[in-house]
Amino acid sequence: AQSVSQHNHHVILSEAASLELGCNYSYGGTVNLFWYVQYPGQHLQLLLKYFSGDPLVKGIKGFEAEFIKSKFSFNLRKPSVQWSDTAEYFCAVPNNAGNMLTFGGGTRLMVKP
Amino acid sequence: NAGVTQTPKFRILKIGQSMTLQCAQDMNHNYMYWYRQDPGMGLKLIYYSVGAGITDKGEVPNGYNVSRSTTEDFPLRLELAAPSQTSVYFCASAAGERNIQYFGAGTRLSVL
Repeated sequence: AQSVSQHNHHVILSEAASLELGCNYSYGGTVNLFWYVQYPGQHLQLLLKYFSGDPLVKGIKGFEAEFIKSKFSFNLRKPSVQWSDTAEYFCAVPNNAGNMLTFGGGTRLMVKP
Repeated sequence: NAGVTQTPKFRILKIGQSMTLQCAQDMNHNYMYWYRQDPGMGLKLIYYSVGAGITDKGEVPNGYNVSRSTTEDFPLRLELAAPSQTSVYFCASAAGERNIQYFGAGTRLSVL
């Protein structure tokens, strides 16, 4: 079964700092990868996705993620965070059958103004 | 476009009570999912459905039941509520291709 690890559980940054959140997955054949974001009190929203092609994927609000196959990683980055990026971030991968997603434990990001 | 709608938003139950969490989607998605979210634990899949009349267990199905009589609706039933079922429940749907899931706003349930 697929598994997803997010190494940072809590991250605190000041505004304008750079962000990188780690995500590692277990090998499972064809890889589709997702980052979801959950703002305080809200539901999960898709931030970005990787299906194939360019391993550097750009998402909404200036976020990007890089798929590194050799490292089984899909780390999320943003060059300069804002207070409004305070949220919980989840990495997710489909299972081998492709009919469900496995989510990582989440990383709670707090950006200090 | 409403997307995925969950009701109620909040509920307090006593131990042993039963209730149904409602989930409806208007995107004609075949796939629907129920998750629970506990602090620091991410999302755990309770049940899922790949189409009307078809349901299957996820990672944490014990204490829950589901049905899928229509494409639009996927209710989650708690028969005998226990404190361990205190959680936030999210319903999601997907078209089935590439697993992009769309989430509802969640139901916050407390069992006391």
